[in-house]
Amino acid sequence: DQQVKQNSPSLSVQEGRISILNCDYTNSMFDYFLWYKKYPAEGPTFLISISSIKDKNEDGRFTVFLNKSAKHLSLHIVPSQPGDSAVYFCAASEGISGTYKYIFGTGTRLKVLA
Amino acid sequence: ETGVTQTPRHLVMGMTNKKSLKCEQHLGHNAMYWYKQSAKKPLELMFVYNFKEQTENNSVPSRFSPECPNSSHLFLHLHTLQPEDSALYLCASSQETDFYNSPLHFGNGTRLTVT
Repeated sequence: DQQVKQNSPSLSVQEGRISILNCDYTNSMFDYFLWYKKYPAEGPTFLISISSIKDKNEDGRFTVFLNKSAKHLSLHIVPSQPGDSAVYFCAASEGISGTYKYIFGTGTRLKVLA
Repeated sequence: ETGVTQTPRHLVMGMTNKKSLKCEQHLGHNAMYWYKQSAKKPLELMFVYNFKEQTENNSVPSRFSPECPNSSHLFLHLHTLQPEDSALYLCASSQETDFYNSPLHFGNGTRLTVT
């Protein structure tokens, strides 16, 4: 049973518009969430994170929103750029319990059209 | 050399072969991980080492054998693999003592094909 789900395998967005990538989780003990970006032939690179004490974290064009009651998080990219085209993974962990077991979703492939 | 380096980048091996994957991190981290990425599946955690001690073995078959001689190096020894073990194997590191401010840093992976 997947504890972290990304239900949209792909997303296409016009350059300059907003990209919204979604992620749902089932484990209420998760308290630390991360987004990673992955280009072909490279490992995932860290983008942005959020802990459960917050509902929003912003870093430049990237904002992550956390809705604990819905067990849902989203990544907003605005404005989207062609270089943002990649696969995006969300991940979650029970940081407070001292485990270092990050659970990943299956990824969403974002294509930003010029 | 910076970040997390994995060698080789590509590996083709037969089911009776023995090979090893190597990972080295230059970030001063003290936790290292092996993840497996198969097509259309999430990244699966295989092993975690904190301060050179294995703290997690996520029900991985014994044909995969990890080794962590120090906090900078991690190996994955492979023997008598099956074709379904073909996947991208990713190494990662993090700083255990600063969990909330130390996300995983990944290498570029080893693409393994078992014939």
